[in-house]
Amino acid sequence: QSALTQPRSVSGSPGQTVTISCTGTSTDVGDSNYVSWYQHHPGKAPKLRIYDVSERPSGVPDRFSGSKSGNTAFLTISGLQTEDEADYYCCSYGGSYTWVFGGGTKLTVL
Amino acid sequence: EVQLLESGGDLVQAGESLRLSCATSGFTFKNSVLSWVRQAPGKGLEWVSAVGGSGDNVQSADSVQGRFTISRDKSKNTLYLQMNNLRVEDTAVYYCAKVHVGYYDSSGYFDFWGPGTLVTVSS
Repeated sequence: QSALTQPRSVSGSPGQTVTISCTGTSTDVGDSNYVSWYQHHPGKAPKLRIYDVSERPSGVPDRFSGSKSGNTAFLTISGLQTEDEADYYCCSYGGSYTWVFGGGTKLTVL
Repeated sequence: EVQLLESGGDLVQAGESLRLSCATSGFTFKNSVLSWVRQAPGKGLEWVSAVGGSGDNVQSADSVQGRFTISRDKSKNTLYLQMNNLRVEDTAVYYCAKVHVGYYDSSGYFDFWGPGTLVTVSS
């Protein structure tokens, strides 16, 4: 499977809202309700932020939200904070223990 | 508290072998799906391989099929990745991750990750 397509970078100021897109095809993102998003600070363990397109794990701030339209999933972060600056990855579950990740998006908080 | 800690990363020559380990704690090991994910320098995350709770359901990415073998030892609560015939392009930080899979294979995501171990393959 080919990697999902994400913008290489996005940016925003503290307090603003940013949205990161994740585009796949009708056979992965478009055909799946099992898209997840991960926050990755370099040198650290990645962290789950959203699963099943729009579900938020306990302990994750409600500033993080997910959605999907057609073959594209979205991660929205509202009320940006400096600690949100990180790399973000989307991921689609293909069933039978197989996954495909997006190429990653670097979020800069100006 | 769920914990995963990888070890075994090293500098090796192309064509050589290496075995990574991932020590786990804080969850029921025998029931959990586990996986390896890697990140090459300057690149994004790439799913590598996964194994079911019983150890007999294994999947691997095409890029490592036939060269890498995932396994688990329930007596040690440890996940392994045996990497043979290593290539320069296998150079990456390798992460161990616990997987949540829903009933009837509905849903699948990585709910906990280790900090990673670096594998460098030189030519």
